[in-house]
Amino acid sequence: KQEVTQIPAALSVPEGENLVLNCSFTDSAIYNLQWFRQDPGKGLTSLLLIQSSQREQTSGRLNASLDKSSGRSTLYIAASQPGDSATYLCAVWGLYNNNDMRFGAGTRLTVKP
Amino acid sequence: DAGVTQSPTHLIKTRGQQVTLRCSPKSGHDTVSWYQQALGQGPQFIFQYYEEEERQRGNFPDRFSGHQFPNYSSELNVNALLLGDSALYLCASSLGGEQYFGPGTRLTVT
Repeated sequence: KQEVTQIPAALSVPEGENLVLNCSFTDSAIYNLQWFRQDPGKGLTSLLLIQSSQREQTSGRLNASLDKSSGRSTLYIAASQPGDSATYLCAVWGLYNNNDMRFGAGTRLTVKP
Repeated sequence: DAGVTQSPTHLIKTRGQQVTLRCSPKSGHDTVSWYQQALGQGPQFIFQYYEEEERQRGNFPDRFSGHQFPNYSSELNVNALLLGDSALYLCASSLGGEQYFGPGTRLTVT
C-alpha cells in the first residue's frame, strides 16, 4: 500500500528565504507526482505536475524534482514571500492513471514579513 | 469557464442523520472523484465515477455512496453520520488526466 510522508510538518521562515519541502513515498511504481497548495479551509490548487518520465518541473519561483528510484520528491521555493504561506501537499498517482491519488499530510508553511 | 463547483459550502448535521453533497465538474470533464480531508490530514480517496458508474473505491464503508448523472455532475451521500465524518469533502474532476479540485464542502457532525 502506497504511503506518502511529508517532512517537515510545519515550517516558519523569514521573507526572502529559499526553502525546500520534502515528500517521500513507499512504492516507486507511480504514474505521476503532483504538488498542491491549500489555503486554510479551501480547496487544492495544483502547482506542479511531474510525469513519471520526467525528473523535474519549474513554474516561476517553484521547482519540483522527482527521484522515483529513491521514492522522493522535493519542492523548492525561491525568495519566499508572505503570500506563499499555506499548506503544501504532495500526491502520487496510481501506477496506470489518476485513480486513487495518495496524499501526504502536508507541510504548513508560514513566511514572516 | 467555471471550474469545479460544490454545494453547499458548509453543513452541520446531527449524528445518525444522512447528508448529500453535490459537485459540478469543470466543463468538458467526464470523471469525478471524491475525497475526505480530516483536519490536519491530507485528502483520502473515497471513490471515482466515470460514465455514471463507480470505477474505483478507497477504503470507506458502504455508508458512503455516490452517483453520477448524465451531465457528469455527481453526488456524495453519507448515511448514519458519525462524529468522525466531520471533515472537508473535496470533489475533483478530470478528463482522464490531471484532476481539478473544487473548493470543498465543510461537514460538521454534532
